[in-house]
Amino acid sequence: QVQLVQSGAEVKKPGASVKVSCKTSGYTFTSLDINWVRQATGQGLEWVGWMNPNSGYTGSAQKFQGRVTMTRNTSISTAYMELRSLRSDDTAIYYCARTNGDFDHWGQGTLVTVSS
Amino acid sequence: DIQMTQSPSSLSASVGDRVTITCRASQGIRNDLAWYQKKPGKAPKRLIYAASSLQSGVPSRFSGSGSGTEFTLTISSLQPEDFATYYCLQHNNYPPVTFGQGTRLEIK
Repeated sequence: QVQLVQSGAEVKKPGASVKVSCKTSGYTFTSLDINWVRQATGQGLEWVGWMNPNSGYTGSAQKFQGRVTMTRNTSISTAYMELRSLRSDDTAIYYCARTNGDFDHWGQGTLVTVSS
Repeated sequence: DIQMTQSPSSLSASVGDRVTITCRASQGIRNDLAWYQKKPGKAPKRLIYAASSLQSGVPSRFSGSGSGTEFTLTISSLQPEDFATYYCLQHNNYPPVTFGQGTRLEIK
């Protein structure tokens, strides 16, 4: 069965970077895009960006451009999202999602807390 | 970018009630819309894809309809486990995608 398993919770100081991993299984990793979505406490779902695991092409929402990098390691079917210059309002749960048109399978989420 | 307007933002209802949630797109998106259920501490769960197709394993009390700019999610008879927040997602011009603002469904 399709599974996306994310790395554990992180606590970072303002200005630092965080890298979240998303290990996939149960399908051909390079056949479908991976997207990243976040949810801050009490807020809605917010799209962060996307990656094509086959080509490595990526893109992000305008508000994250210049701060987010999405990469992959095809040999271990894992996607990564790195967010730099962290601010307190980046505190959120970050989700990866397999993209087959819409987002059909999701990781369990990774809590990133930014606090001094 | 395509904007999604979801309403209502919150809704109080009782077990057994029929409820409807609406998403309106700022431009036509064909049927490129999905509905998700979100519970605290859980990942979003897809309920409906392609506007009206029921995800395997999702109870038949959930249904979706619409095309173009107006879409609805209907729960025909609310069950206790249905109290959650619901989101629509448009992926017509992917990337990007756009979520609705969410509808919090609470017990009356």
